[in-house]
Amino acid sequence: QSALTQPPSASGSPGQSVTISCTGTSSDVGGYNYVSWYQQHPGKAPKLMIYEVSKRPSGVPDRFSGSKSGNTASLTVSGLQAEDEADYYCSSYAGSNNFYVFGTGTKVTVL
Amino acid sequence: EVQLVQSGAEVKKPGESLKISCKGSGYSFTSYWIGWVRQMPGKGLEWMGIIYPGDSDTRYSPSFQGQVTISADKSISTAYLQWSSLKASDTAMYYCVRHSTASEAFDYWGQGTLVTVSS
Repeated sequence: QSALTQPPSASGSPGQSVTISCTGTSSDVGGYNYVSWYQQHPGKAPKLMIYEVSKRPSGVPDRFSGSKSGNTASLTVSGLQAEDEADYYCSSYAGSNNFYVFGTGTKVTVL
Repeated sequence: EVQLVQSGAEVKKPGESLKISCKGSGYSFTSYWIGWVRQMPGKGLEWMGIIYPGDSDTRYSPSFQGQVTISADKSISTAYLQWSSLKASDTAMYYCVRHSTASEAFDYWGQGTLVTVSS
């Protein structure tokens, strides 16, 4: 099972928006509405930011939003803040043989 | 408060065995799957496998099948990840995660256990 494809980096100025893509196949991203997104600050454990493509756990700011079209999911961070600078990983359910797959990760820089 | 607390960092030699742990609290340990995720130095996240402590049903990523063993002791709310013969390439941070079946997401993460394998 190959990792989902994400751009290595993305950036934006404070207050701007940044969108990260996550491309898979019809066997994972395209086949299920079970895409989640995780934020990881340096030296810290990842944190769930989005689940089931577009739902936010309690406590996650509504600046974070998710969507999906075909085999590609996206995470948008609106109104960028300094604390949003981190690595972001997508993940998808991939069926009963491969179960779960993560994306390659994207480093978001706030300029 | 849901917490997953992992055992401390380990330094081992190639060929040695190792078992690291993850203790859950603040929720019904037997009602949620617990998974393990590897992060090699400077690299991304990799899903290794998952166990349901209620009945010890275990699933592995094809990439990790036969390389590690996942187990759990529900009497002490603890899950384990073990190796019988470590390799230098096992050097990584390992996270345990609570899996939500309803959302197919990993909603809580342990703090991570750093495993270093070096001669």
